[in-house]
Amino acid sequence: KQEVTQIPAALSVPEGENLVLNCSFTDSAIYNLQWFRQDPGKGLTSLLLIQSSQREQTSGRLNASLDKSSGRSTLYIAASQPGDSATYLCAVKEGDRSGGGADGLTFGKGTHLIIQP
Amino acid sequence: EPEVTQTPSHQVTQMGQEVILRCVPISNHLYFYWYRQILGQKVEFLVSFYNNEISEKSEIFDDQFSVERPDGSNFTLKIRSTKLEDSAMYFCASTLVRLTGYGYTFGSGTRLTVV
Repeated sequence: KQEVTQIPAALSVPEGENLVLNCSFTDSAIYNLQWFRQDPGKGLTSLLLIQSSQREQTSGRLNASLDKSSGRSTLYIAASQPGDSATYLCAVKEGDRSGGGADGLTFGKGTHLIIQP
Repeated sequence: EPEVTQTPSHQVTQMGQEVILRCVPISNHLYFYWYRQILGQKVEFLVSFYNNEISEKSEIFDDQFSVERPDGSNFTLKIRSTKLEDSAMYFCASTLVRLTGYGYTFGSGTRLTVV
């Protein structure tokens, strides 16, 4: 059964720092991997999606990498801002026998990030 | 920007009662999902729905749960006889295209409290 682990569970850094959030998964047979942001009382916002054949994706100050064979992904946030404070979730979509993707996403528990002004 | 709308935002119910959680997915989306998040725990997949039938369900989605798309806009999750352990935040999501994963839009969630 796929397990997704995120380290650290919580992180507090001063504004302006670059930081890295880590995600690992136990079964490398994934279809894709997504990073989400969750704000209190709100839903999940998709930040970046990496297909299993890709190594990285970038959007603005965010860069996500994927090393499928080792079961790892990182989310790099450059020049952090107080508005980046949120919980960041990593989720994998598993592959199925036909080569497509399973419907459900398997989530990690998240990294609760606080950016101090 | 189009949104997935969930109602109510918070529901309190007595153990053993039936509850219906409602969702209005984005209008041109074709795939619909329910996830739940128990306080302090991971977000967990419950069920996916396409073409008016369940596409996939997790082991959590037992006979106490059912989903329905009663009309062209609503997507509902029914819990037949609630238990204390059903207390969680329930998220609805929709997407236009299943396999790419792009376009996943989540609602803000319904917090269900079973007392």
